Amino acid sequence: DAGVIQSPRHEVTEMGQEVTLRCKPISGHNSLFWYRQTMMRGLELLIYFNNNVPIDDSGMPEDRFSAKMPNASFSTLKIQPSEPRDSAVYFCASSLALRGEQFFGPGTRLTVL
Amino acid sequence: GENVEQHPSTLSVQEGDSAVIKCTYSDSASNYFPWYKQELGKGPQLIIDIRSNVGEKKDQRIAVTLNKTAKHFSLHITETQPEDSAVYFCAAPYSGAGSYQLTFGKGTKLSVIP
Repeated sequence: DAGVIQSPRHEVTEMGQEVTLRCKPISGHNSLFWYRQTMMRGLELLIYFNNNVPIDDSGMPEDRFSAKMPNASFSTLKIQPSEPRDSAVYFCASSLALRGEQFFGPGTRLTVL
Repeated sequence: GENVEQHPSTLSVQEGDSAVIKCTYSDSASNYFPWYKQELGKGPQLIIDIRSNVGEKKDQRIAVTLNKTAKHFSLHITETQPEDSAVYFCAAPYSGAGSYQLTFGKGTKLSVIP
């Protein structure tokens, strides 16, 4: 069984560019979470969806960040325009139910120069 | 929201010794406490969890204890092996204002010295 799939695994871009991170949750899972991990702040929840609907986006740092889940098998996290302080590892996780075990993807390491 | 404190931030043990990592939480309504292990270059992986209706749970060399009165829970790893070296995260849920989310501790980097 495939786990959570994220792409790309690594992204290097220049300040001001648009960045799109992609996630495919585990088939059958109803909840999807986007996290950001940095040394300074640890693992932070950015936004999560339940049945494709955004439930809580209070963790999204700024309006430059947006996330969508057009269907049950795909989600995107977009940063436009990107800034050096956005450099981090971004994880997507999914769970069968909102309060269930969360399965994490391998992450996307983003570097903004 | 939930506030989760995790200690220590780094821990070195000799192979075969035990390791203990402690977490405290603030939301007395929290009822689910997972522990995640993150190896280098990978995403966190759930290794054990406990719900508030029990005080202890074991899975081979790993155990978690929960003290709801004191609002703290701990991860115990016995007979440590080099492959236990990783970063470990505790987490606690926050439910409020129609939201549900896990708040993670800052992590403990465990090094098992052969």
